[in-house]
Amino acid sequence: DIQMTQTPPSLSASVGDRVTITCRASQSISTFLNWYQQKPGKAPNLLIFAASSLQSGVPSRFSGSGSGTDFTLTISSLQPEDFATYYCQHSYIIPYTFGQGTKLEIK
Amino acid sequence: QVQLVESGGGVVQPGRSLRLSCVASGFSFSNYAMHWVRQAPGKGLEWVAVISYDGSHKYYADSVEGRFTISRDNSKETLYLQMNSLRHDDTAVYYCARDRQSIAAAGIRMDYWGQGALVTVSS
Repeated sequence: DIQMTQTPPSLSASVGDRVTITCRASQSISTFLNWYQQKPGKAPNLLIFAASSLQSGVPSRFSGSGSGTDFTLTISSLQPEDFATYYCQHSYIIPYTFGQGTKLEIK
Repeated sequence: QVQLVESGGGVVQPGRSLRLSCVASGFSFSNYAMHWVRQAPGKGLEWVAVISYDGSHKYYADSVEGRFTISRDNSKETLYLQMNSLRHDDTAVYYCARDRQSIAAAGIRMDYWGQGALVTVSS
């Protein structure tokens, strides 16, 4: 199975900050990488697919990049509603494993 | 609008069975692959299973292979997860999710999710 490792596990930041979360795959997955946001008690929400494509309705302050094994999710200017947990997931082969999550908290 | 509504969760003893349902509305259910994803209390997301648009192909995580069965009834626009031989570590919120694709090929992405159904395995 492909293992997905996210760093950092948690992150404290302030409104207006630029934030980057990293996801590393245990083998090359080309650009088959999705990012999800999850708020407490809610279902995940798709933000980015195919490593860098913005899902419809997602604010443009979210962006994704990377290919092969290393990927990043960037939030250009944090808003209060962005404090949540973020997960990467590869979509290369079954099983479609998720990273362990990055909890973004208010500083 | 797209809606996915899970039901069937509850408390069940180890070794027993439970069936989850996910009723879809607001889109052509029979055109999309569907997934089950679970989340143990306080933990991360775990992909569980996927079924193709017509039910002809099904795939599972190793942790549930041989115990869980994913199925669908397109006439009822409903997705199912039959869970047998339940274990304590199956305790989780189970989400159904729509795939933007019709089959489980590279590039899957889950663009709509249900609200989740809590399954607690406890004696």
